[in-house]
Amino acid sequence: GESVGLHLPTLSVQEGDNSIINCAYSNSASDYFIWYKQESGKGPQFIIDIRSNMDKRQGQRVTVLLNKTVKHLSLQIAATQPGDSAVYFCAGEGLTFGKGTHLIIQP
Amino acid sequence: EAQVTQNPRYLITVTGKKLTVTCSQNMNHEYMSWYRQDPGLGLRQIYYSMNVEVTDKGDVPEGYKVSRKEKRNFPLILESPSPNQTSLYFCASSLRAEQYFGPGTRLTVL
Repeated sequence: GESVGLHLPTLSVQEGDNSIINCAYSNSASDYFIWYKQESGKGPQFIIDIRSNMDKRQGQRVTVLLNKTVKHLSLQIAATQPGDSAVYFCAGEGLTFGKGTHLIIQP
Repeated sequence: EAQVTQNPRYLITVTGKKLTVTCSQNMNHEYMSWYRQDPGLGLRQIYYSMNVEVTDKGDVPEGYKVSRKEKRNFPLILESPSPNQTSLYFCASSLRAEQYFGPGTRLTVL
C-alpha cells in the first residue's frame, strides 16, 4: 500500500521567516498530492495540491515542490505569520495521510 | 455555505452503550469517509463510501459500522464502544482528491 509520511513532528520558525515542511512517499503511482493545514480544535483544511506531471505549484504565500526522482515533496510558506501555526499533513492519491508536522511560530 | 457537519461535537459515554455520530454534507459529494485522530498516529481512515449503498473498510474498521442510505449522510455507529475508541473523529467528503472535513467529534469512552 501507499506510505506517505512527514520528516519532522515539530518545526519551529521565527515570524517572518520562510518555512519548509517536507514529506516523503513510497507509491510512485500517485497522480497527485495534497497539503492540508489543521489548526487547533479544527478539522484539516485543503491548502494546495500538485499533480505528478508538475514539479512546482504556487499559491498565495505557499509553494509546493515535487521531486519524483526521490519521491519527495515539500511545502514552503513564505513570510510565516502567527496564523500559520498549525499541523500540516501531506496526503497522496488514495488519501493516505502522514502523521503531520506541527509548525510553531516564534515571535 | 458548503460544509460538512458532525454531531455531536463532544460526547462522553460508557463502555458498551451504543452510539451514533452523524455526518452530513451539502456539496453533493459522492465520496465520504470517517477518520480517527490520535496523538502520534495522525489521521487513520475507519470507513469510506464511494457512493450511496457502497461502503468499504479503511485502515482501522474494527468496532465501527457505517451506512450510506443517501448521498448527503454518512453516520458512524459504535455498537459497543470501548475505551480504546476514545479519540477525535472527523468526517470528510470529496469530489476528487481534495477532502472537506467536518469540525470533529471528541469522543470519550469510560
